[in-house]
Amino acid sequence: DTEVTQTPKHLVMGMTNKKSLKCEQHMGHRAMYWYKQKAKKPPELMFVYSYEKLSINESVPSRFSPECPNSSLLNLHLHALQPEDSALYLCASSQWTGSSEAFFGQGTRLTVV
Amino acid sequence: KNEVEQSPQNLTAQEGEFITINCSYSVGISALHWLQQHPGGGIVSLFMLSSGKKKHGRLIATINIQEKHSSLHITASHPRDSAVYICAVRYGTDKLIFGTGTRLQVFP
Repeated sequence: DTEVTQTPKHLVMGMTNKKSLKCEQHMGHRAMYWYKQKAKKPPELMFVYSYEKLSINESVPSRFSPECPNSSLLNLHLHALQPEDSALYLCASSQWTGSSEAFFGQGTRLTVV
Repeated sequence: KNEVEQSPQNLTAQEGEFITINCSYSVGISALHWLQQHPGGGIVSLFMLSSGKKKHGRLIATINIQEKHSSLHITASHPRDSAVYICAVRYGTDKLIFGTGTRLQVFP
């Protein structure tokens, strides 16, 4: 199994809603990542978890709250988002941080209305 | 200025043509990745390189560490190769820095 599975694939939410994005991998990877990608732009790193601990937060607003409940699962909790937060949210994992190959999920396309 | 520069930004080709996409970076890296992103978003990892050359099917990736440059070649291109190709570098930390991507369209 070399898949990173993201759910849901699409999400529309209001600015007052609370929702969560989920990412799962069963490759035994110990590094997991959240990226945000706007149209026709490269992905931008948001968070990195290494061995279930948050190791990088790229100055992401607190309305985005990551959680890594175990080594296979990574969540991104969303609350009080703005329309400009609409984007493709990509999850990735790698065996460890540093030089290992990264595997990406299909992404969640988020629209904030 | 992006730390990872790709060229060209857009590329069109006829089926069967040999394609080259280039990537340059500014400082020493621990690894360079070539990724493919299809419309709809999912990213597929094609290669991870730290030196030399790798080949997988019709795809070849090379890296010159001294010149801080990498190329992705596609031989006998096919319309299904149409996608955005992204170069990403790792500077020995947790971060993967992405280039701006090359949008490739291959016409039959």
